[in-house]
Amino acid sequence: GAGVSQSPSNKVTEKGKDVELRCDPISGHTALYWYRQSLGQGLEFLIYFQGNSAPDKSGLPSDRFSAERTGGSVSTLTIQRTQQEDSAVYLCASSLDPGLAVGEQFFGPGTRLTVL
Amino acid sequence: GENVEQHPSTLSVQEGDSAVIKCTYSDSASNYFPWYKQELGKGPQLIIDIRSNVGEKKDQRIAVTLNKTAKHFSLHITETQPEDSAVYFCAAHASGGSYIPTFGRGTSLIVHP
Repeated sequence: GAGVSQSPSNKVTEKGKDVELRCDPISGHTALYWYRQSLGQGLEFLIYFQGNSAPDKSGLPSDRFSAERTGGSVSTLTIQRTQQEDSAVYLCASSLDPGLAVGEQFFGPGTRLTVL
Repeated sequence: GENVEQHPSTLSVQEGDSAVIKCTYSDSASNYFPWYKQELGKGPQLIIDIRSNVGEKKDQRIAVTLNKTAKHFSLHITETQPEDSAVYFCAAHASGGSYIPTFGRGTSLIVHP
C-alpha cells in the first residue's frame, strides 16, 4: 500500500521567503510527527499531532515555524521568513495512535530545503 | 525528559564481520525501543524493535538485546554485507505521558567489500 508521501522533494528558496512543506500520512494513522534533520545529524522533533487533540508544539525552534493538520490527514509545515540555518531535510512520520500502543513510525522520504 | 545516548557515531567493518551499536536511555518509563535504518536520500525505516517485557529479539542477521536494569539496548548485525551500509538510529518511547520518541544521534555504518 501507499506509504507516507512528502512534497516537494526539494525546495530551494531565498532568505526571507516563506515556504510550505506538505505531508500525506498513511491512511488510518492518527498520529503525525514532523522532524528536522540537518546534514549528518540526528532527528530533531518539531511538532506532533494526534487525532483532534491540540498539537504538541514543544519542538518548534521559533515562532517562524507553524504547522497544521486538516481533517486529521494531510499536514502542512510552514516556515516564514526563512533563514539559512533553516536549511535541512524535513521528515514527516505517521503511526497508529500511540495512546493505544506505542509502535513503529513510518517515515516519508523527506523534503530537502535549501535557503540561499 | 528522556535522554538517549548512542555509540559509536561511526563504525567501519569488513564484509562478513559483526557490527554492534549500543544505546543507553535515562527514563525507566520507556518501554518501546525501535531501531531505524536510514539509507542515503531516504527516510528512516524500522528494521527491528523490542518491548520492555522481552530481553532479546532476533530477525535473521539482526538482533536486539535489552537490559532494563542497566537501561541499555544494543543492535547486533551478523555477517554484514555492503548493503547494510547506512545510518542507524535507536529510539526510546514510553506509553503514556509524552508520545514523542527520543532518538539517538545515529551511527554511520560502513561495510567494506
